[in-house]
Amino acid sequence: GAGVSQSPSNKVTEKGKDVELRCDPISGHTALYWYRQSLGQGLEFLIYFQGNSAPDKSGLPSDRFSAERTGGSVSTLTIQRTQQEDSAVYLCASSGQGPRRNGNTIYFGEGSWLTVV
Amino acid sequence: GENVEQHPSTLSVQEGDSAVIKCTYSDSASNYFPWYKQELGKRPQLIIDIRSNVGEKKDQRIAVTLNKTAKHFSLHITETQPEDSAVYFCAANSYQLTFGKGTKLSVIP
Repeated sequence: GAGVSQSPSNKVTEKGKDVELRCDPISGHTALYWYRQSLGQGLEFLIYFQGNSAPDKSGLPSDRFSAERTGGSVSTLTIQRTQQEDSAVYLCASSGQGPRRNGNTIYFGEGSWLTVV
Repeated sequence: GENVEQHPSTLSVQEGDSAVIKCTYSDSASNYFPWYKQELGKRPQLIIDIRSNVGEKKDQRIAVTLNKTAKHFSLHITETQPEDSAVYFCAANSYQLTFGKGTKLSVIP
């Protein structure tokens, strides 16, 4: 696609329910990232994929959070048993190569706004 | 891992004045330093970037400088306009792109 596409754009869920957030990166991009941004805050790194593997899962806040990527393309971020503190914007980004490559620009999607009530 | 510090957290300037945002990083292996602009409710968008083999880069009213010895880099916006009002994030890449906490820039007409 022309840009990074995320769905849903908005999600309101009840505390304790599971949610799935989807990211469709720019076609041909091998690297995919998930970030979380709480209201008025910075960009918190969650996880990075190179192809289908995740070399760096260090940012996942707890074992309620998981992510997968299939076919080197679409990724899904799953949050189980959601809590109110999970409310945030979840931003997906992609780049042509991994982060160690010099000058590797990453492009963000519009984000999925999650509200846990 | 990489640690990026960004200052100031908020910045107000009069229209037409210059704005400067500064960042420091910790990992000497970092070699790519982008700046993103995020307008309210929108995605972060790349506005300028610099690689470790140059010390300065300019694009119209925006410039970025890099001091690898001191491990700091700065964003300079000249002749600020109200549409420059946004949150600006610096970043540095080591293993993965690490962002500063952002600077909220307000340009007062």
